[in-house]
Amino acid sequence: SQQGEEDPQALSIQEGENATMNCSYKTSINNLQWYRQNSGRGLVHLILIRSNEREKHSGRLRVTLDTSKKSSSLLITASRAADTASYFCATDKGSNDYKLSFGAGTTVTVRA
Amino acid sequence: NAGVTQTPKFQVLKTGQSMTLQCAQDMNHEYMSWYRQDPGMGLRLIHYSVGAGITDQGEVPNGYNVSRSTTEDFPLRLLSAAPSQTSVYFCASSYAGVGELFFGEGSRLTVL
Repeated sequence: SQQGEEDPQALSIQEGENATMNCSYKTSINNLQWYRQNSGRGLVHLILIRSNEREKHSGRLRVTLDTSKKSSSLLITASRAADTASYFCATDKGSNDYKLSFGAGTTVTVRA
Repeated sequence: NAGVTQTPKFQVLKTGQSMTLQCAQDMNHEYMSWYRQDPGMGLRLIHYSVGAGITDQGEVPNGYNVSRSTTEDFPLRLLSAAPSQTSVYFCASSYAGVGELFFGEGSRLTVL
């Protein structure tokens, strides 16, 4: 069964606006990662946040993690047409559990 | 550096046929894994390997076989293809464990 669930399923925004998507998960985690997938391509790693971290930044990306609520958010600021893609969260449980579990993804469309 | 290379990119099989999806990485990664991606379901882990000679089952292993005789290669075998195995298959690797995964471009399989 999938550990993470993204919300919303789809998001359409104007170029220059911010995009926020959320990920909720069911059981305790070690790390949470976000990936991007352009149409017809493989996934690309964006950012990893550890369970003892609350916020992380990478360029125009900001990720937060709230372990008490078992949720994470990904914020893309000043979106561009090139940000049009599907975004997935993925979690692992650590402790020699080598399984990375993905959610169903959020599809983001950035309109010019 | 080619990264993770998957072949073939597209394949059509008849029910009952067998085939092997190839995956090779040139990054000296210890961890390799196979996922399948179906519409609206995100990625589901089929099998993974933490090093040469070591493999284990993921979430949906039935109908698939793997082996890891070298660090570089991690082929996925479909023993007797079924229409339910129609999917896009992704191979991914990481330096160790389930840190940042590097994905191949995918293999789209249709079983008639």
